Amino acid sequence: QSVLTQPPSVSAAPGQKVTISCSGSSSNIGNNYVSWYRQLPGTAPKLLIYDNNKRPSGIPDRFSGSKSGTSATLGITGLQTGDEADYYCGTWDSSLSAYVFGTGTKVTVL
Amino acid sequence: EVQLVESGGGLVQPGGSLRLSCAASGFTFSSYWMHWVRQAPGKGLVWVSRIYSDGSSASYADSVKGRFTISRDNAKNTLYLQMNSLRAEDTAVYYCARGVLRGWGYDYWGQGTLVTVSS
Repeated sequence: QSVLTQPPSVSAAPGQKVTISCSGSSSNIGNNYVSWYRQLPGTAPKLLIYDNNKRPSGIPDRFSGSKSGTSATLGITGLQTGDEADYYCGTWDSSLSAYVFGTGTKVTVL
Repeated sequence: EVQLVESGGGLVQPGGSLRLSCAASGFTFSSYWMHWVRQAPGKGLVWVSRIYSDGSSASYADSVKGRFTISRDNAKNTLYLQMNSLRAEDTAVYYCARGVLRGWGYDYWGQGTLVTVSS
């Protein structure tokens, strides 16, 4: 059971925007940086956002991250069929002394 | 080009041992924290362990503490995970991942190696 809660699924039409929430507590999101990952079926996860809102080289600005209090949000604009995947948030939990991932959200492009 | 290539997975009986390796290339391995993350079939990502760039300190998830040992050989650019007293619930794909330099997150992942614990 994860300490970070995400919605099981979100969906939108091509070209539209989706947001994925990640809810935690003061021991994790509230006091540590959040990262976001995309995992296509049968492949390794890929980093989309680190340090709450920074994009690694090569990640388009369609992807954005934000954090407020004990929650974080991933935004994806201009949704494409290739964005269909599972998305995970992650952060360090100071109480557990462990890195924790969210429950995962499946994005479906209608 | 950064590459992480895991090996050593396979089928092992409960109570058995296995050592995973992760060969790194394309970057200065000795400068980065390295991690192991696992994913049980059809389930989410679970952090397993972390080791500092110089190998001086390691951390473990409670579920593997006392059974797994992370280590690295910076001369060989290789990360290891020694897994002892394996249980059925350790069955998963194991990924090695590179920590973001001066940041938080994992910026490169290996392709994963499957560990199956079953009699």
